[in-house]
Amino acid sequence: GENVEQHPSTLSVQEGDSAVIKCTYSDSASNYFPWYKQELGKRPQLIIDIRSNVGEKKDQRIAVTLNKTAKHFSLHITETQPEDSAVYFCAASIVGSARQLTFGSGTQLTVLP
Amino acid sequence: GAGVSQSPSNKVTEKGKDVELRCDPISGHTALYWYRQRLGQGLEFLIYFQGNSAPDKSGLPSDRFSAERTGESVSTLTIQRTQQEDSAVYLCASSLTVGPYEQYFGPGTRLTVT
Repeated sequence: GENVEQHPSTLSVQEGDSAVIKCTYSDSASNYFPWYKQELGKRPQLIIDIRSNVGEKKDQRIAVTLNKTAKHFSLHITETQPEDSAVYFCAASIVGSARQLTFGSGTQLTVLP
Repeated sequence: GAGVSQSPSNKVTEKGKDVELRCDPISGHTALYWYRQRLGQGLEFLIYFQGNSAPDKSGLPSDRFSAERTGESVSTLTIQRTQQEDSAVYLCASSLTVGPYEQYFGPGTRLTVT
């Protein structure tokens, strides 16, 4: 089955700096890679996702890059703000298949004011 | 429209008792997932229902755990003879299977076994 590894487990950055979280996956058939944000005491929510037919996707201050050859993808947050502080989870799956989403172990991001 | 709902929001039970957790997915979502999240930990996959297919039970930690789903509606997760290590937040999520594939999570049920 699929295995997703996520690094780092914790990340602290100064407000305004950039943050990068990296994930690797094991199944080359995976073609869908979402990122979820979970604020303290709240449910996870999708913030961005990417399909394997593109290498990069941006949405304002958030971007995700995908390297299919190396089987890794990354979340980039620019101009970080205190409200970006949360746990971020990456995941991998195969769209249209019966296989469920496999999540990484999460990264606790703290943005210091 | 209404999102994923779960009940109860909190459940305190004594060790050895059975508990039943309920999830109401978004209408029309054929896929439904249960996860366990221990304090400060990640999302541990438990079980996945996809339409009328046989559920993927590969994440259930023991035979004390079981889940059912009637068609594409409500699902219940049952934990028998609860143990203290079962204490966690149990999250349910639902999604479409023909895109978009976003999983919408419910608010979770916080289970405390004393």
